Amino acid sequence: DIQMTQSPSSLSASVGDRVTITCQASQDIRNYLNWYQQKPGKAPKLLIYDASNLETGVPSRFSGGGSGTDFTLTISSLQPEDIATYYCQQYDNLPLTFGGGTKVEIK
Amino acid sequence: EVQLLESGGGLVQPGGSLRLSCAASGFTFNGHAMNWVRQAPGKGLEWVSAISGVGDSKYYADSVKGRFTISRDNSKNMLYLQMNSLRAEDTALYYCARDRSPMAAISQDYWGQGTLVTVSS
Repeated sequence: DIQMTQSPSSLSASVGDRVTITCQASQDIRNYLNWYQQKPGKAPKLLIYDASNLETGVPSRFSGGGSGTDFTLTISSLQPEDIATYYCQQYDNLPLTFGGGTKVEIK
Repeated sequence: EVQLLESGGGLVQPGGSLRLSCAASGFTFNGHAMNWVRQAPGKGLEWVSAISGVGDSKYYADSVKGRFTISRDNSKNMLYLQMNSLRAEDTALYYCARDRSPMAAISQDYWGQGTLVTVSS
């Protein structure tokens, strides 16, 4: 199975800060990577697919990058409603596997 | 509006069985693969199983292979997960999730609110 490693596991930042989360795959997954946002008590929401494509309706302050084994999710200007846990997920090979999550809090 | 509504969760003893259901509406059901994804209390997400839009291809995580069976009834817009030989480690919130692809599991673009399965004596 492909292992997905996210860092950091948690972060605290101020409103307006630029926030970057990284995700590393244990092998080359090309650009077959999704990012999800999960707010407390809610179901996950797809933010980005194919590593860099923004899902419809997702604010443009979210962006994704990378290919191969190293990927990033960036929030250009953190907003209070972005408080959530973020997960990366690879779909190059089954089983689909998720990273351990990054919890984002407001400082 | 896409809606996914899970049901069938509950408390079951180890070794027992449970059948989860997911009622889908608001989209062409047979045009999308469907997935089950679970989340143990306070933990991360784990993909469990997927089925293609026409139901001819099924995929499972190793942790459930041989114990869980995914199926769908496209005439009723329903997705199912038959869970047998349940273990304590199967305790989780089980989400039904639509896939962007008709064929395989790639990206889950709509999710239900989940149904809780608790395996305990």
